[in-house]
Amino acid sequence: QQQVKQSPQSLIVQKGGISIINCAYENTAFDYFPWYQQFPGKGPALLIAIRPDVSEKKEGRFTISFNKSAKQFSLHIMDSQPGDSATYFCAASFGGSQGNLIFGKGTKLSVKP
Amino acid sequence: NAGVMQNPRHLVRRRGQEARLRCSPMKGHSHVYWYRQLPEEGLKFMVYLQKENIIDESGMPKERFSAEFPKEGPSILRIQQVVRGDSAAYFCASSPFGEVAKNIQYFGAGTRLSVL
Repeated sequence: QQQVKQSPQSLIVQKGGISIINCAYENTAFDYFPWYQQFPGKGPALLIAIRPDVSEKKEGRFTISFNKSAKQFSLHIMDSQPGDSATYFCAASFGGSQGNLIFGKGTKLSVKP
Repeated sequence: NAGVMQNPRHLVRRRGQEARLRCSPMKGHSHVYWYRQLPEEGLKFMVYLQKENIIDESGMPKERFSAEFPKEGPSILRIQQVVRGDSAAYFCASSPFGEVAKNIQYFGAGTRLSVL
């Protein structure tokens, strides 16, 4: 019930294309859904996040779409660039005193020039 | 404003030795989280601490692992009698005080532990 399932495991996109990464969760008590970007040898960096009271959030080329009824959320990267090549993790957390993040297994994105 | 600082960045230990990993949170942050990342895997929560208190250690192995966040100084993750299976990247994250803001976590660059 505390799992977050992420797909695909790896993704290859041409420069300028749209990258789409999907996540699904079971526990309806989750109330915070961030996406992290991780480059090799570095720590995860917060990219964008959403709470369940909105269905979409956009920041620059990055958009989260959130479907509460389906218990799914996705990251869209518009106009993908080679510099976007990294591993992306979705996560979820509860509110209150249980602030730890539950991560998906990650998607390795390669953007080809 | 410096980010979350972790040291050492790389740590090599032989089986049976102790490993000490340090984490200094961002200035003004009073919550610290430790996560472990195995190769090709996502991060797994280990422990959540506030100053001088362990709030949630549900992800921490019952033996050999301990964590502290003293009133002064960095948070320490301690692994006693390391085994090869402890080889992983250990990440620390911090977040500012406040129930809503608590979910927003900033990660350090990690400590990569190799057990020979």
